Amino acid sequence: AQSVTQPDIHITVSEGASLELRCNYSYGATPYLFWYVQSPGQGLQLLLKYFSGDTLVQGIKGFEAEFKRSQSSFNLRKPSVHWSDAAEYFCAVTGFQKLVFGTGTRLLVSP
Amino acid sequence: GAVVSQHPSWVICKSGTSVKIECRSLDFQATTMFWYRQFPKQSLMLMATSNEGSKATYEQGVEKDKFLINHASLTLSTLTVTSAHPEDSSFYICSAEGRGTLDYEQYFGPGTRLTVT
Repeated sequence: AQSVTQPDIHITVSEGASLELRCNYSYGATPYLFWYVQSPGQGLQLLLKYFSGDTLVQGIKGFEAEFKRSQSSFNLRKPSVHWSDAAEYFCAVTGFQKLVFGTGTRLLVSP
Repeated sequence: GAVVSQHPSWVICKSGTSVKIECRSLDFQATTMFWYRQFPKQSLMLMATSNEGSKATYEQGVEKDKFLINHASLTLSTLTVTSAHPEDSSFYICSAEGRGTLDYEQYFGPGTRLTVT
């Protein structure tokens, strides 16, 4: 069965600094991978997704993620973090219809 | 883009009563809808998958008689928490997968916070 690991429970980044959130997945075939963001008390917004093709995926709000099959990773990056990026970030994988989420990483942005 | 709404956004009910949560796809037809539960500061756990016109498929450990799911149309699914108890208090989120979607992308609703007193 597929699974997702987000090793960092929370990360604090200074505003303007770069960000990388880690995600490792386990899946037997080619995975479909997603990154979602959740603000407090809100639903999930899709940042980006990977299905095939170019392993560097561009998303909304200046985010990107790189799929590395050899490392079973799909890390999320942003070159310059804004205070409004403070939220919970979830990595997810699906092989057939069912989404499996990681435990999430809470991003805190310091002034 | 595809929009999914949920109603109500929050609800407080007394122990022993039932509460219904609606999930609607506003601008697309959703052949499949999903219901998730999220505890504070935790991830989303899939409760059940429902396809329009058929019975929902529940995940292991989810009581189907307690969490009744109906997907009567291509734009509406409902989750009814029957005989609610304080331990059912949680954040419930639905998502919808559009007809003809090939990439398994789910569109999420804003969630419903249920508090059982």
